[in-house]
Amino acid sequence: QVQLQESGPGLVKPSGTLSLTCAVSGASISSNYWWTWVRQPPGKGLEWIGEIYHSGDTHYNPSLRSRVTMSLDNSKNQFSLKLTSVTAADTAVYYCARDYFSGSHELDFWGQGTLVTVSS
Amino acid sequence: DIQMTQSPSSLSASVGDRVTITCRASQSISSYLNWYQQKPGKAPKLLISAASNLQSGVPSRFSGSGSGTDLTLTISSLQPEDFATYYCQQTYATPRTFGQGTRVLIK
Repeated sequence: QVQLQESGPGLVKPSGTLSLTCAVSGASISSNYWWTWVRQPPGKGLEWIGEIYHSGDTHYNPSLRSRVTMSLDNSKNQFSLKLTSVTAADTAVYYCARDYFSGSHELDFWGQGTLVTVSS
Repeated sequence: DIQMTQSPSSLSASVGDRVTITCRASQSISSYLNWYQQKPGKAPKLLISAASNLQSGVPSRFSGSGSGTDLTLTISSLQPEDFATYYCQQTYATPRTFGQGTRVLIK
C-alpha cells in the first residue's frame, strides 16, 4: 500500500520560507509518477500548487511560480516543497499526493495533510 | 488557466435521494476530469477518474458522465456516509485546477 507523510514546521514567520517534505513508502519516487502538492486554506477549497516528475521536470501553478520550488531526494524516497516570501494568505493545510498517469492524471494516494500557519 | 465552476455550491438531501453535481469548464477538457470526496479533517479521496472511471472500492452508486465543458457526478441513492464535500479537478492542462467544491448536507 502506498503511503505519503508530510512533515515540516507548523509555524512560519511572514516573509519567511515554508519548507515541507513528503516521505513516500510503498512506491519509488524514481518510478514513472508525478508527485504533487495541493493546499487548502482553512474552510476553503483545494488549490493545486504543482508537480514534479521522477525525471525532475516540474510544472508549477503560475500564481505561485515565482515563489515555489519542488525537488526530489531519491536516496530518502521523498520529495519537497519550498515556498518563499510567505504571507498569511499561505496559511493552509498542505497535502502531498501521487499523480498516477495512465492516459490521464489522477491523484490516487494522498498524505494526511499538515497545517502550516504563517504568523509572527 | 482553465476555470472550473461547480454547481450547486451546496445542497441538502435525504438518505436515498438521487444527487447530481455539475462541473463546468471554461474551455473543453474532453474527459480529463476527476472527482474527489473530502470529509472534514481528512484528505480528499479519488472517486472517479477520466470523467467516468470508477475507482476500485468506490460504491457503484457513484457515477460520472459528460465530456467537453459540462461534466457531472451522480450519486444514485445517497447514503449516510456520502455527506461530504465533492471536488472536481481538470487534468487537461496545467495548472490542474479544482472546482470550488460542493457540500452535500443532510436535510
